[in-house]
Amino acid sequence: AQTVTQSQPEMSVQEAETVTLSCTYDTSESDYYLFWYKQPPSRQMILVIRQEAYKQQNATENRFSVNFQKAAKSFSLKISDSQLGDAAMYFCAYRSGGSQGNLIFGKGTKLSVKP
Amino acid sequence: GAGVSQSPSNKVTEKGKDVELRCDPISGHTALYWYRQSLGQGLEFLIYFQGNSAPDKSGLPSDRFSAERTGGSVSTLTIQRTQQEDSAVYLCASSPTSGIWDEQFFGPGTRLTVL
Repeated sequence: AQTVTQSQPEMSVQEAETVTLSCTYDTSESDYYLFWYKQPPSRQMILVIRQEAYKQQNATENRFSVNFQKAAKSFSLKISDSQLGDAAMYFCAYRSGGSQGNLIFGKGTKLSVKP
Repeated sequence: GAGVSQSPSNKVTEKGKDVELRCDPISGHTALYWYRQSLGQGLEFLIYFQGNSAPDKSGLPSDRFSAERTGGSVSTLTIQRTQQEDSAVYLCASSPTSGIWDEQFFGPGTRLTVL
């Protein structure tokens, strides 16, 4: 079974600085997709960024980028120029490429942004 | 357009009672997922519906949990004889298809408290 591990329960960053959230996963599959979701206090999960495992190029979405290391099974999220609105829980998630179904989530990292 | 909606927002019940949680997916979305988020935990998959196909119930924790989806739209998650360990936030998500790359759009969740 696939597992997703986020080893940092909490992180803190100064406004305008850069922060990296870690995620590792375990799988024997070669085809899969990885996602980062943000959950603000409103509880509504929002997709931040996604990556296809067969693509070597790291995905970027404005201030958000990933460092995808397939051999190391690592998928970290970098937030540049952090803003107060970035404060939230961040969840890393895995989806198998061989099935149509659910996401497998890590336990999340709570990010605080200091003004 | 309207996003995924869930009702009620909060539900407090007594141990042993039955509860029903409702999810209204985005119009036209064929795939619907239920997840459970316990305190300090990531999201745990419960059940998945795709169109008129038989649902994937592999994540349901016990036979006290059931779900249905009427007319390929609204879904109801039912928990019978609730236990204190059922206390959690129940999140619903929908996606346009069950395509692996498709974004899952989440509702705000129902916070269930079992006394």
